[in-house]
Amino acid sequence: QSVLTQPPSASGSPGQRVAISCSGSSSNIGSNHVYWYQQLPGTAPKYLIYRNNQRPSGVPDRFSGSKSGTSASLAISGVRSEDDAHYYCSVWDDSLSGWVFGGGTKLTVL
Amino acid sequence: EVQLVESGGGLVQPGGSLRLSCAVSGFTFSNYYMSWVRQAPGKGLEWVANIREDGSEKFYVDSVKGRFTISRDNAKNSLYLQMNSLRTDDTALYYCVRGAEDFDSSGFYYPESGFDYWGQGTLVTVSS
Repeated sequence: QSVLTQPPSASGSPGQRVAISCSGSSSNIGSNHVYWYQQLPGTAPKYLIYRNNQRPSGVPDRFSGSKSGTSASLAISGVRSEDDAHYYCSVWDDSLSGWVFGGGTKLTVL
Repeated sequence: EVQLVESGGGLVQPGGSLRLSCAVSGFTFSNYYMSWVRQAPGKGLEWVANIREDGSEKFYVDSVKGRFTISRDNAKNSLYLQMNSLRTDDTALYYCVRGAEDFDSSGFYYPESGFDYWGQGTLVTVSS
C-alpha cells in the first residue's frame, strides 16, 4: 500500500476534462510540495508538474495541478489521445525522511 | 543535452550483490541532488535513495536500509548504487534521476524540487 492514495484508473473522451486525485497526510502533502509525473508505455517517467501547480517548459497548459490540505489533484482539460498514460503523484514525507509516490493512475482516453 | 545512462543490471541470486552505475553528461553533476527510483515489473514507482550534491547526506527507503548504499564521484560524473543481500522483491527497473533545482517567485531555493531528468533504466532481476 502506497503512502499516497490515487485511484487506479480514470478515463475520458477526447476534449473532456479529467481530474486525478492524490491523497496523503500531514507529514507529506500537508507540509510539502506535490509533484506529478507522466509515464507513457515503455518509457521513463516525465516531469509534468512541480511545486503543486507549476509546469516545466514544454508541458502543455492543458495540464494543471492544485493542492488543498492533505490532498492534491492533477487536471487535464481537453484530454487528447496522447495523454493515455500512467500518472504518479509524489512528495517528500517528513516522517519517513524520503520521497513517496502514489500507486499511479492509468488514464484511458476513450 | 542532459543524459543519464545506467548500467550494471542483470540476473543475480537471492543474497547476492550488484553495483549499478549511472554516467551523466550535459550538466554540472556536482551541483545536483541525485536519486535512484525503481519500478517492479507492471508496478508503480518507488524512490530508493538520494544523495546530496557533495555526498554529505543520504536518505534511503526503509526496505533497503542497511543493504543498499548510494554514492557518487563528482570527478567522474557518476552515481552508484551498491546493492547487497538482494531479495526477490528488489527485482525492478532501476532509474537514475536528477533532482530538479528550483527557485520560487520570492527567491526561495529548492535544491530537490522533484525529479526532472530520468535515465532509461537498468533491469535488476533477483531469482534463483
